[in-house]
Amino acid sequence: SQTIHQWPATLVQPVGSPLSLECTVEGTSNPNLYWYRQAAGRGLQLLFYSVGIGQISSEVPQNLSASRPQDRQFILSSKKLLLSDSGFYLCAWTIDRLAGGAHEQYFGPGTRLTVT
Amino acid sequence: KQEVTQIPAALSVPEGENLVLNCSFTDSAIYNLQWFRQDPGKGLTSLLLIQSSQREQTSGRLNASLDKSSGRSTLYIAASQPGDSATYLCAVKSDSWGKLQFGAGTQVVVTP
Repeated sequence: SQTIHQWPATLVQPVGSPLSLECTVEGTSNPNLYWYRQAAGRGLQLLFYSVGIGQISSEVPQNLSASRPQDRQFILSSKKLLLSDSGFYLCAWTIDRLAGGAHEQYFGPGTRLTVT
Repeated sequence: KQEVTQIPAALSVPEGENLVLNCSFTDSAIYNLQWFRQDPGKGLTSLLLIQSSQREQTSGRLNASLDKSSGRSTLYIAASQPGDSATYLCAVKSDSWGKLQFGAGTQVVVTP
């Protein structure tokens, strides 16, 4: 069966510090991978998605970046955190391809980031 | 641009009552609609997925309907239990890359 992991579970970082959040998926190959952010009192916002190794698309211009160094590994990074980067970061995957609609999107347990 | 709305934002019912949660979307050209449950501080758990060609999906006490032409989906939870207390989110996939557009959610409290 498929499993998605995220770490760390919680993180408290000062403004201006770097960030690295990791997401890995087990039990599937060549998944589409996604990073979402859920800010306090707001809905989920898609940040990045990837359809393959090294292929990253950004949805929202900001000081965050993403990378996919391996098929089932997705990393969210920042060189200098802002207060507005605080939130709940969720990684998700699906095997849905292109125009298909038959497959669910599955989410990880999330990382709670507080920027102080 | 696709916009997804969930009404009401919050709902409180006594145990045993049926729950009705609403989701509306502005662009009917969707591939699927997915309902999720989120417990406080946790990730999202997928409940049901309805493909654009389907009108209904059922899983246990959960039933979701989809009316694409009117841009609406409804999630019914029969005989609610305190364990059903959570935030319920709907999301639509309306592009070929699998990106989901989420509603803001309905926070449900089921009182014993």
